[in-house]
Formats: sequence, C-alpha cells, structure tokens
Amino acid sequence: GENVEQHPSTLSVQEGDSAVIKCTYSDSASNYFPWYKQELGKRPQLIIDIRSNVGEKKDQRIAVTLNKTAKHFSLHITETQPEDSAVYFCAASRNSGYALNFGKGTSLLVTP
Amino acid sequence: DAGVTQSPTHLIKTRGQQVTLRCSPKSGHDTVSWYQQALGQGPQFIFQYYEEEERQRGNFPDRFSGHQFPNYSSELNVNALLLGDSALYLCASSSSSRGNEQFFGPGTRLTVL
Repeated sequence: GENVEQHPSTLSVQEGDSAVIKCTYSDSASNYFPWYKQELGKRPQLIIDIRSNVGEKKDQRIAVTLNKTAKHFSLHITETQPEDSAVYFCAASRNSGYALNFGKGTSLLVTP
Repeated sequence: DAGVTQSPTHLIKTRGQQVTLRCSPKSGHDTVSWYQQALGQGPQFIFQYYEEEERQRGNFPDRFSGHQFPNYSSELNVNALLLGDSALYLCASSSSSRGNEQFFGPGTRLTVL
C-alpha cells in the first residue's frame, strides 16, 4: 500500500521566517495531495491541496509544490505567525474521494 | 450550515466491551470515511461508506465494522475492545459530486481500560 514519509517531525522558526515541510510517497498512482493543520485538541483542517496535473498551487501565505517524477511534495508557509503553530499532516490518495494515507505529522512552533 | 459532527465526545470502556461511535456528515455530503488517530500519529484510514455500502477498507481487523444510513450519517462499531484501540476516532465527510475534499469532525476520544 501507499507509504507517506514526512520531514521534519518538529520545526521551530521565528515569526516572519518561512517554514518548509516535505513529504514523499511510494504509490505512483497517487494523484491527490492534501495538507491538513491540526491544532491541539482540535480536528484536522484542510488548508490546501494539489492534484497531479498541477505542479504548484498558492493560497496567500501558503503554497504547495509537487514533483510527480520524484514522488515528493512540499508545503511552504511564508511570513509565519504564532497562530501558524500546530501539527501539519501531508496525505496522498489515488483519488480525492478515497482513502487518505497520512504522514506522521510535523509539529511547527512559531516563536514571536 | 453545520459541519461534520460526531458523538460522543469522549468514551471510556473496558477490554472486551463493544462500542458504537456516530457521525453526521456536512450538509450536502454523501460519503463518510473513518480514521483512527493514535497519540502523536497521523490518522489511519479504517473504511469508507458511500451509498450505504463499504466502498474501501484499510488494514483493520473485522472487529471494526460500520454502517451508513439513508440520510448519509454513519456508525463505527468496534467489538472485543483491546487496550490498543484507545485513540481519537475521526470521521470525515465528502461530496462525490463536488470536489471530494474530505472535511473532518471533532473526533471521539476512546479510552480502553
């Protein structure tokens, strides 16, 4: 089955700096890659997603890039703010409506 | 418009017991997926229901079963509970006709003693 690896497991940045989280996947048939943000004690929230026919997608301070050949995708957060502190999960799926295979998460801490 | 809701919020059971968790999808969604999230881990896919049928299943034993009702709500049943079943159980709903992005409920925290 699909195996999603996520790095780093923890990331600490200063407010205003950029943060990058990287994921790799094993199933070449995967074509949907969402990112979720989970604050302590809360539900995972979809923050951005990308499909395999697109190489990059941006939404304000958040961007995701996808390299299908290398089977990796990354989340980029610019101008980080303390409220960006949370656990971020990447996931991969053969179809957006089907099983999501999650990475183990990255705990991001943004210090003022 | 209510988002995905789950009940109960917390549950404590003892080994060997059975438990039923409930999920109501977001309005307009017809597909429900269940995930198990152990502490400090990413969610793991249990199964998905669409049109009242189990459409896809992850690597979980038969002790885990489910159901989807005509109003698209869903139940997750776990029999013969083990200590290792202690986790946050998340339900996610999606629409087969509108993008299929999965939106999560707040989860049910199950503790097995």
